[in-house]
Amino acid sequence: KAGVTQTPRYLIKTRGQQVTLSCSPISGHRSVSWYQQTPGQGLQFLFEYFSETQRNKGNFPGRFSGRQFSNSRSEMNVSTLELGDSALYLCASSFSGYEQYFGPGTRLTVT
Amino acid sequence: DQQVKQNSPSLSVQEGRISILNCDYTNSMFDYFLWYKKYPAEGPTFLISISSIKDKNEDGRFTVFLNKSAKHLSLHIVPSQPGDSAVYFCAASAVGGTSYGKLTFGQGTILTVHP
Repeated sequence: KAGVTQTPRYLIKTRGQQVTLSCSPISGHRSVSWYQQTPGQGLQFLFEYFSETQRNKGNFPGRFSGRQFSNSRSEMNVSTLELGDSALYLCASSFSGYEQYFGPGTRLTVT
Repeated sequence: DQQVKQNSPSLSVQEGRISILNCDYTNSMFDYFLWYKKYPAEGPTFLISISSIKDKNEDGRFTVFLNKSAKHLSLHIVPSQPGDSAVYFCAASAVGGTSYGKLTFGQGTILTVHP
């Protein structure tokens, strides 16, 4: 089976802009979770989608949003980018909700 | 409030010897635990997991031990190989409700295996 894919792999944006990141889960997985990794905070949970519904959300401002499509592909959006949003954004898919399989991540740099 | 802690930022081991990585947690609602391996600029790779109803799970060179009373788990790698050099993350999950799809991660331990 193909693994989790994320696009783009690298992105450079300017403060105030918005960005959309994409994630394609492993075939058959309906749960998609998003995480932010930074040197200071480590891996932090953003939100989780299952069958197009957001079931859980982490402690992030409303500028961070996401959605899931009927084919389980997911996107996350960050509006009004701040310098502190520079991070590695990771998507993970799961069948059971417990064992999560991660994509390679999108490295976002905000200048 | 760090609910999952890996108190050793780094560990250095000789090839062929045992590597033991440790993890402590504080949330008694956690019922499933996982270990991931991560290389720079890549996503974490799932290694092994354990449910709270077990105290040991083994997969090849990797064994995870869970001590629920101490809220402690450990990952043993035997024998260690240079290719095992990476950052290892411990993660925990609670059942249902506000825990759907959420893994809580430790800060990671950098393992270096010397030839």
